[in-house]
Order: sequence, then structure tokens, then C-alpha cells
Amino acid sequence: SAVISQKPSRDICQRGTSLTIQCQVDSQVTMMFWYRQQPGQSLTLIATANQGSEATYESGFVIDKFPISRPNLTFSTLTVSNLSPEDSSIYLCSVLDAAAYNYGYTFGSGTRLTVV
Amino acid sequence: DAKTTQPPSMDCAEGRAANLPCNHSTISGNEYVYWYRQIHSQGPQYIIHGLKNNETNEMASLIITEDRKSSTLILPHATLRDTAVYYCIVRPRVLYGGATNKLIFGTGTLLAVQP
Repeated sequence: SAVISQKPSRDICQRGTSLTIQCQVDSQVTMMFWYRQQPGQSLTLIATANQGSEATYESGFVIDKFPISRPNLTFSTLTVSNLSPEDSSIYLCSVLDAAAYNYGYTFGSGTRLTVV
Repeated sequence: DAKTTQPPSMDCAEGRAANLPCNHSTISGNEYVYWYRQIHSQGPQYIIHGLKNNETNEMASLIITEDRKSSTLILPHATLRDTAVYYCIVRPRVLYGGATNKLIFGTGTLLAVQP
């Protein structure tokens, strides 16, 4: 299955600033997703990153706060904008590739964001 | 996608079988049962999935009841490294190019393997 490199692994940011998280995959994948995991909680899907078009956001998430890019089939970025302490979470990238149709989705190791 | 119900936590002795239950009484005929786990500070990891027959792989076994309203994930010989949150997810089979290939997580079961 695909191998994901997610950067940075962690960061501490000032409120009001933004953080851009990168997700690089070692092979072309059909679908990429971004999740948020708040402290002690399960994973919540933010959006599906669509190659060459605007991302598809889940209820409660908006493009102005979480702009996403996906310029090609191996790379995506998630920006968390205008940070507040409530944005302190782990953000995870996930991909669906051909092998995943039998073996499931692959997840990155996550970016732990702390907003101070 | 059908809703699932899992116990919030379970304990298991190291070396013993861990049996994790999942209720999915509203499962539809085209929906599969998927299991993932998340070890602390890591991304979720796929374990196994099935439709109606029991399934086994190198990680675990999945037992689905005949009416498909519940299932059990079995880790045959639990180790300390199996301590994780285990998620049972019910959804249609992932299809190439499918428009609904989203994976939605519930609250899961925290399995604590005790030495």
C-alpha cells in the first residue's frame, strides 16, 4: 500500500496565525482525505481533497478556515487558518489507493498542533 | 452508513484472546464491516473487513453473526503492542472511483492489554 509522509509532525503556533500541513504520497492515489482528532476524541473527517478542483467539505468545516490544495495525485496540503486554542488537535492525512480496495485506507502519522 | 455501537473500553490479559464486540443492527445488505485500530500517537491502521462470512488474516479474525447485526473482532494472542483504540465501521464496499468512499469513525473501544 501507499506510504505517506506528513509534515510537520508537530508544531506550536501563535493564535491568529496559520499552519500549512503537507501530505506527500509515494504513489499516485485516487482519493485523499483530511481528518481532525481533538484531544481524547475520535477522528472527524474535514474534507475530501479533489485533484484539480475544490475540496469537498463535511458539515461544520469551511474552506475559509481549512483551505485545501491538491495539485496532483501524490500531494495535498491542509491549511488551518486564523488559529485559536480550539484548533489544537492532531490533523491526519489519509489516502485510498488501488491496494486499499482490498486492504483499506492508509493514514499518515499525523501533525500535532498546539495553539498558544 | 449504518451506526455502530462498541463498548468504550475493555481489558485483556497478555497472551489471551481479545474479543471486541460491535453492534450494527441497522446494517444494510450492501454494507461491509471494517475494523481499524489506532495505537497511541499513530494514524489508524486497517485490520480486516468482511461482508457475511467469517474472515481471518495475519492480524485477526472477524466473526459476523448470521443476521449480520453484530460482529466480533478476535485477536488470538494479545500482546502489549495491541493496546489501542479499535474502531468498527460499517459502510458500503470501497469502490474504485466511488463518490462515497469516505471513512467515518465512531468512538471505538480502548483495548488495554495487561501484562
